[in-house]
Amino acid sequence: QSALTQPASVSGSPGQSITISCTGTSGDVANYNLVSWYQQHPGKAPKLMIYEGSKRPSGVSNRFFGSKSGNTASLTISGLQAEDEADYYCCSYAGSSGYVVFGGGTKLTVL
Amino acid sequence: QVQLQESGPGLVKPSQTLSLTCTVSGGSISNVDYYWSWIRQHPGKGLEWIGYIYYSGSTYYNPSLKSRVTISVDTSKNQFSLNLSSVTAADTAVYYCTLIVGASNAFDIWGQGTMVTVSS
Repeated sequence: QSALTQPASVSGSPGQSITISCTGTSGDVANYNLVSWYQQHPGKAPKLMIYEGSKRPSGVSNRFFGSKSGNTASLTISGLQAEDEADYYCCSYAGSSGYVVFGGGTKLTVL
Repeated sequence: QVQLQESGPGLVKPSQTLSLTCTVSGGSISNVDYYWSWIRQHPGKGLEWIGYIYYSGSTYYNPSLKSRVTISVDTSKNQFSLNLSSVTAADTAVYYCTLIVGASNAFDIWGQGTMVTVSS
């Protein structure tokens, strides 16, 4: 059961858009439409931002957009705001071989 | 709105069993749409899924921890628990209890987390 691959860090200026990638395998991201994304501020519990690849929970800004192509899922944040600075984690269902796998996390810096 | 609260010792000795409880409020642990899960985060590191349980008692564990993990449900107390045996310093982490609603496999609700240190 290998972790999903995310870039260690990304950055952008206020108002810009950024995209965080999450690369898995045919055993997880590619085979299931069950990718979720979490935002974590320092010292806080993670917060669900995207589920089932592209759906937003109630209360999550429509500036957050999830997508998938093949074995890579992506999280795009548009109109960057200072409050978006946080760590972001992707997660995928991985079937009966491992059930749940997380990415290593990406630190987003808003310049 | 369901809320989760972890409780348990903050310090565990090596080779002993780490035991944590998650108290559920605002909802029933017997809800057929809910899966109850534990996730941990080593200091300064990423998230690691430990396992989850359905109210019926069906369990699913991370293969890398399966030999040491037991997750159980106490419907009378509206709680679920984590036992992790034979702990070492590598098990030092913040432990979160979480809730999956439905078949999304997404962790919708999180407890605040509890730090557990393994040290003699």
